[in-house]
Amino acid sequence: GQQLNQSPQSMFIQEGEDVSMNCTSSSIFNTWLWYKQDPGEGPVLLIALYKAGELTSNGRLTAQFGITRKDSFLNISASIPSDVGIYFCAGRSADSWGKLQFGAGTQVVVTP
Amino acid sequence: SAVISQKPSRDICQRGTSLTIQCQVDSQVTMMFWYRQQPGQSLTLIATANQGSEATYESGFVIDKFPISRPNLTFSTLTVSNMSPEDSSIYLCSVGTGVGETQYFGPGTRLLVL
Repeated sequence: GQQLNQSPQSMFIQEGEDVSMNCTSSSIFNTWLWYKQDPGEGPVLLIALYKAGELTSNGRLTAQFGITRKDSFLNISASIPSDVGIYFCAGRSADSWGKLQFGAGTQVVVTP
Repeated sequence: SAVISQKPSRDICQRGTSLTIQCQVDSQVTMMFWYRQQPGQSLTLIATANQGSEATYESGFVIDKFPISRPNLTFSTLTVSNMSPEDSSIYLCSVGTGVGETQYFGPGTRLLVL
């Protein structure tokens, strides 16, 4: 299906650094979800956003639902080695009958 | 959240054969979806599994190739029929408690077709 524009495609960072990634869409969404996928696993939900302007944290993770309802970002503060993985954004519009559109993913590599 | 299990977790199959993947949820859910994730790629929705009626397929996916059953609110199967090497992917079951609710994913089934 149609993909969101997720960037960057990959990031190589040192342990302790902050990470930021974002997704943009041409459609207005009423839900933004951020997932992390480890090798050999299914995507795990990190943060769910349901309201424009909403800023939500989950430990070292912070995500925001853009005011325009067409974008979202995810920040990871003070990265650690277990943050390695692929992060996906997913969005849903009001007329999508629950179906999600996924970004292409951001591969995060953390070096000691 | 929901606890989702998939069987098998992985399989190696010969071309021309079919494989049925099972998805079991620990609670009743409204929405069940099947996704495909090709190597190194993002997730692509195959179909929405509807309880008691035919699945709703996305563009590019057809019932003859990917028949789906959903006999109740906690279980669904996806069959990959007449497989070819291009069907080698991870197949993921996903559930949601409502149209506007969060979606959770199963661990996936890793399929390799030789």
